[in-house]
Amino acid sequence: QKEVEQDPGPLSVPEGAIVSLNCTYSNSAFQYFMWYRQYSRKGPELLMYTYSSGNKEDGRFTAQVDKSSKYISLFIRDSQPSDSATYLCAVSTLSGGYQKVTFGIGTKLQVIP
Amino acid sequence: GAGVSQSPSNKVTEKGKDVELRCDPISGHTALYWYRQSLGQGLEFLIYFQGNSAPDKSGLPSDRFSAERTGGSVSTLTIQRTQQEDSAVYLCASSLAITDTQYFGPGTRLTVL
Repeated sequence: QKEVEQDPGPLSVPEGAIVSLNCTYSNSAFQYFMWYRQYSRKGPELLMYTYSSGNKEDGRFTAQVDKSSKYISLFIRDSQPSDSATYLCAVSTLSGGYQKVTFGIGTKLQVIP
Repeated sequence: GAGVSQSPSNKVTEKGKDVELRCDPISGHTALYWYRQSLGQGLEFLIYFQGNSAPDKSGLPSDRFSAERTGGSVSTLTIQRTQQEDSAVYLCASSLAITDTQYFGPGTRLTVL
């Protein structure tokens, strides 16, 4: 079993739709939760970072963490064609004194104009 | 300011040849990480540096892979006697400290023929 499970998609939605992206993780030791966005042929860029259960909002993006279910989500409101990218969830813990990050496989999102 | 840079952006090599991939982290970042991203595999941790030392090399796939960092800055990932299964995107990331958020470079796309 992978430490982080994420549906690779692809997910195709019309412009303006609400997008829901999800991951599950297996190890309750994970303390930090992140979402990265990766455009084609680019490196991942950090979108959201949280360390507690609950919601964190940043503009059109909301990250949700449920530690009891080991479930993390990213919601995108009023989706735009520029949101078309691969979204990677990531979890981490301090291991050996550093933040060891484990990534999901990524969900490819396409927003159709 | 300048982000993480990597060179070359693309590298095509023949099976059995050695390759060197370079990473220039964000100035002042003490921690540096190497990852590999293959189709259908997600990001795979290879090695991390704190300063010039590599406390965690656990992700290096075989002894054909090695990395060094000099002057607490530039890092080189070397793959000896490349194999076709080494074809992937090699991503470098850096962070201010080992407990901080990682910022990624654009990656080097390696193709082994």
